[in-house]
Amino acid sequence: DAGVIQSPRHEVTEMGQEVTLRCKPISGHNSLFWYRQTMMRGLELLIYFNNNVPIDDSGMPEDRFSAKMPNASFSTLKIQPSEPRDSAVYFCASSFQGPPQPYEQYFGPGTRLTVT
Amino acid sequence: GDSVTQMEGPVTLSEEAFLTINCTYTATGYPSLFWYVQYPGEGLQLLLKATKADDKGSNKGFEATYRKETTSFHLEKGSVQVSDSAVYFCALMGDYKLSFGAGTTVTVRA
Repeated sequence: DAGVIQSPRHEVTEMGQEVTLRCKPISGHNSLFWYRQTMMRGLELLIYFNNNVPIDDSGMPEDRFSAKMPNASFSTLKIQPSEPRDSAVYFCASSFQGPPQPYEQYFGPGTRLTVT
Repeated sequence: GDSVTQMEGPVTLSEEAFLTINCTYTATGYPSLFWYVQYPGEGLQLLLKATKADDKGSNKGFEATYRKETTSFHLEKGSVQVSDSAVYFCALMGDYKLSFGAGTTVTVRA
């Protein structure tokens, strides 16, 4: 299996621009997670999907952030408009949630976003 | 809420030295515990896990034991190599959500 695939790996954009990050989870997994990693705040869960439905979006910073999962093999995280404080590494992870626990999460390589 | 506290780094060691990274947690119920490793420029990889009290997780020479009485899950390796240089994250899972510690950067010198 190719593992979790994220694109792009690096993104540099100017403040105010729209940014779209993409994720392809591991085939057969039914749960998908978006995380953000910064030096100041560490790893934060942004949103969690189960069977393509958003279950927990309490970590989404504000309305500028949105995430979708139109099908089991694709998800996007969009930032519009982007701001310099959004600069971070964004990770996508997937897991299969069915017995037995625990539901191990497999991480993608991340997208390093720089907003200037 | 659930939280994880792990030893702050950075930690610098010589090859073949003994490594310990302390991790304690606060959680309701009986969480599963994990150690993840992140090599430079890469995503997180699961290193080892334990699902109940007194379980010992082990992988690649690393070990950690789930201690319910001390709410701890310390990571140890008896003889580190340069290739073990990475950031190590302790994490716990309640239902579905992973709560991570801040990470400990380990550098092993030849």
